[in-house]
Amino acid sequence: GAGVSQSPSNKVTEKGKDVELRCDPISGHTALYWYRQRLGQGLEFLIYFQGNSAPDKSGLPSDRFSAERTGESVSTLTIQRTQQEDSAVYLCASSRPGYEQYFGPGTRLTVT
Amino acid sequence: AQSVTQPDIHITVSEGASLELRCNYSYGATPYLFWYVQSPGQGLQLLLKYFSGDTLVQGIKGFEAEFKRSQSSFNLRKPSVHWSDAAEYFCAVGPRAGTALIFGKGTTLSVSS
Repeated sequence: GAGVSQSPSNKVTEKGKDVELRCDPISGHTALYWYRQRLGQGLEFLIYFQGNSAPDKSGLPSDRFSAERTGESVSTLTIQRTQQEDSAVYLCASSRPGYEQYFGPGTRLTVT
Repeated sequence: AQSVTQPDIHITVSEGASLELRCNYSYGATPYLFWYVQSPGQGLQLLLKYFSGDTLVQGIKGFEAEFKRSQSSFNLRKPSVHWSDAAEYFCAVGPRAGTALIFGKGTTLSVSS
């Protein structure tokens, strides 16, 4: 079946603008995760959705970051008033409960 | 604090030679352990995972890893490296599958001919 998809693949924005990044998980995967990968770094956990439970937002770096998920499908990560340090690859992953995560190709965000 | 350390930032191996990538973790409970590979411009692909049972786990593409609780390690190995194995490799740990993972900073593998 189809894997995790993300859009856009690349996004260039000016400092101070808002951006929205989209993730379509694998069908049937109730868990969805957002990670951030800065240049030369590992992945940093941002937020985790599991079914209808309250999301785990413990990794969000500031209140400029937020995420929504519609049921067990699409998720949108929103970054308000972008800063240059927000430049990174944003990766989405999904999983079935108790199983490993499958990652999308990522969105490369560049803030100029 | 929970953490994953990949001591080698960059490794170069000759094609056909064996490979070992190191991963050490600091975790309070019995962890779930993963190795992922990321090729340039690609997302992460799962190579293998350890949840419980046999401490030597086999993965895709001829990779294997051994969980050593006494050393808090989960090193990745391959007996004969191919040029297509050149990529970045990430070790990750979590309290169980299906939760947010803690990742190491990655090891970049170059393969020389």
